[in-house]
Amino acid sequence: ETGVTQTPRHLVMGMTNKKSLKCEQHLGHNAMYWYKQSAKKPLELMFVYSLEERVENNSVPSRFSPECPNSSHLFLHLHTLQPEDSALYLCASSLGKRRTGELFFGEGSRLTVL
Amino acid sequence: QKEVEQNSGPLSVPEGAIASLNCTYSDRVSQSFFWYRQYSGKSPELIMSIYSNGDKEDGRFTAQLNKASQYVSLLIRDSQPSDSATYLCAVTADDMRFGAGTRLTVKP
Repeated sequence: ETGVTQTPRHLVMGMTNKKSLKCEQHLGHNAMYWYKQSAKKPLELMFVYSLEERVENNSVPSRFSPECPNSSHLFLHLHTLQPEDSALYLCASSLGKRRTGELFFGEGSRLTVL
Repeated sequence: QKEVEQNSGPLSVPEGAIASLNCTYSDRVSQSFFWYRQYSGKSPELIMSIYSNGDKEDGRFTAQLNKASQYVSLLIRDSQPSDSATYLCAVTADDMRFGAGTRLTVKP
């Protein structure tokens, strides 16, 4: 296992479904992140976890719920999503505890909401 | 609103030419600056970081930073078709903010 791995790579779900995205990092990093990438828009930080704190972007709807059981694993629970939530969801990790270190990204989970 | 601006492109250069990618940022207290490369259908990959004014060279890549002008650039010398990708500028202060990216096409 190397780097940051995400599963599933592709997910299609209806608006009433509940699903989860999983991320695992094998780099020994101290911080993990969820980003949303929509076409022609900047990467949007959704959530970040470090050893000491969770930082939540206030603009993230409650239908997205993160979970970080330990420093190597990160989940994004999805519930009652909307079609506009269709995007590439990227997990990343960084060595530093602060939210400004160099990021190492997973391959992403492409989500389509019907 | 703290912004990171990039020309969306596409920027097209012939093989062997110098590709110049530019980025401006609005937050004057920004401290660290990064360039990520993202191939189509892939995730971003860090290719350069720069923390102080001036130039930083790594192989065919040169990052240039001018904090007074709030400007960071990436030069790619001897561009190759394999350099065709979207290049994301990222700037950090309290958190990391990304530009929307510049799509570069290197034509053989």
